[in-house]
Amino acid sequence: AQKVTQAQTEISVVEKEDVTLDCVYETRDTTYYLFWYKQPPSGELVFLIRRNSFDEQNEISGRYSWNFQKSTSSFNFTITASQVVDSAVYFCALSEADAGNMLTFGGGTRLMVKP
Amino acid sequence: DVKVTQSSRYLVKRTGEKVFLECVQDMDHENMFWYRQDPGLGLRLIYFSYDVKMKEKGDIPEGYSVSREKKERFSLILESASTNQTSMYLCASSFVNMNTEAFFGQGTRLTVV
Repeated sequence: AQKVTQAQTEISVVEKEDVTLDCVYETRDTTYYLFWYKQPPSGELVFLIRRNSFDEQNEISGRYSWNFQKSTSSFNFTITASQVVDSAVYFCALSEADAGNMLTFGGGTRLMVKP
Repeated sequence: DVKVTQSSRYLVKRTGEKVFLECVQDMDHENMFWYRQDPGLGLRLIYFSYDVKMKEKGDIPEGYSVSREKKERFSLILESASTNQTSMYLCASSFVNMNTEAFFGQGTRLTVV
């Protein structure tokens, strides 16, 4: 069965600090997709990134970067020079090839960025 | 822009009432989902539908049912609301291909008293 674990329930940083959100997953499939979503206080989940199991290349998008390592079943998310607007709950999710695009979510990490 | 719209942001219902949560999407997505969000538990899948009149149970279907009579609309039904169903409910939709992201509605915070 698939499982996603976000061990950090809450993180607090001061603006301009770098912060890494951890995500560890379990799956028996060789073909799967990993996602990160952001949930701001307004409540609506916003898609950030998608990675397939065959592409371990790290990705950078502005202040955001993602580190996918199959050897450790991890898909970590780093925010560089954090800003107050980054304050949100962040979810990591997994979709398996045999699961019809159903997403399994981790418990979420609440990030608080203080000015 | 993809739009997933949930009919209510906040609802307060009494124990034993039948409750309908409505969700509409405008991107012709085949898949639609209902999730429940509780602190520390993340999002848990209640039901999903991959086509009109088709439905599959998710991880926590007990106490819920769904209806999908039209492609754009997916309803979640609480047959007899109970206090342990107080939660945030999130609807999502996506294309059937697993490599596409799901789009979410703004959520309905349901309180059962």
